[in-house]
Amino acid sequence: RKEVEQDPGPFNVPEGATVAFNCTYSNSASQSFFWYRQDCRKEPKLLMSVYSSGNEDGRFTAQLNRASQYISLLIRDSKLSDSATYLCVVNAVGQNFVFGPGTRLSVLP
Amino acid sequence: DTGVSQDPRHKITKRGQNVTFRCDPISEHNRLYWYRQTLGQGPEFLTYFQNEAQLEKSRLLSDRFSAERPKGSFSTLEIQRTEQGDSAMYLCASSSTETSGRRTGELFFGEGSRLTVL
Repeated sequence: RKEVEQDPGPFNVPEGATVAFNCTYSNSASQSFFWYRQDCRKEPKLLMSVYSSGNEDGRFTAQLNRASQYISLLIRDSKLSDSATYLCVVNAVGQNFVFGPGTRLSVLP
Repeated sequence: DTGVSQDPRHKITKRGQNVTFRCDPISEHNRLYWYRQTLGQGPEFLTYFQNEAQLEKSRLLSDRFSAERPKGSFSTLEIQRTEQGDSAMYLCASSSTETSGRRTGELFFGEGSRLTVL
């Protein structure tokens, strides 16, 4: 079993749709959680950190369930510019950052 | 430009040759990471440094791979006797262990070095 797993995708949605991505992790010692965005042929960039209480940044909402070792990302009112691969990332103290395989999103006009 | 820079951006080599990649992190960052990424996959961890100390190395990393960060600044990743399976994008990232609010631990990536082994 991979340490971080994500919805396989791709997700093809119309503009304005709401889309949710799911991620599970296996290392119970994980302490920090992130969503990164990677555009085609570009490097990954931090989208948002994920906090235990859940957090929101504009149209993006991230949730964490430590008991189920589950992380989610919700994108509301999706835009064409949201088309990218979304990478779930977990980190345990003193250890490296582990990336999931990513879920590709295409927002269609 | 004060971002992470990698060199070369592209490298084509024949099987069996050695290749070396260089990464210059953001100057105030004390941690430096190497990842490998193939098409359709997420970045796969290779190794990371805190200052000049190599703190962790992936168990998947063969002994043909070696990385150094001699002065705690730039780093090199060398692949000896390259194989076709080594073809990938090699990504370097840096971060700071200093907390900075909500962006604690953010990794800043370079644009990567793409390796093609013929």
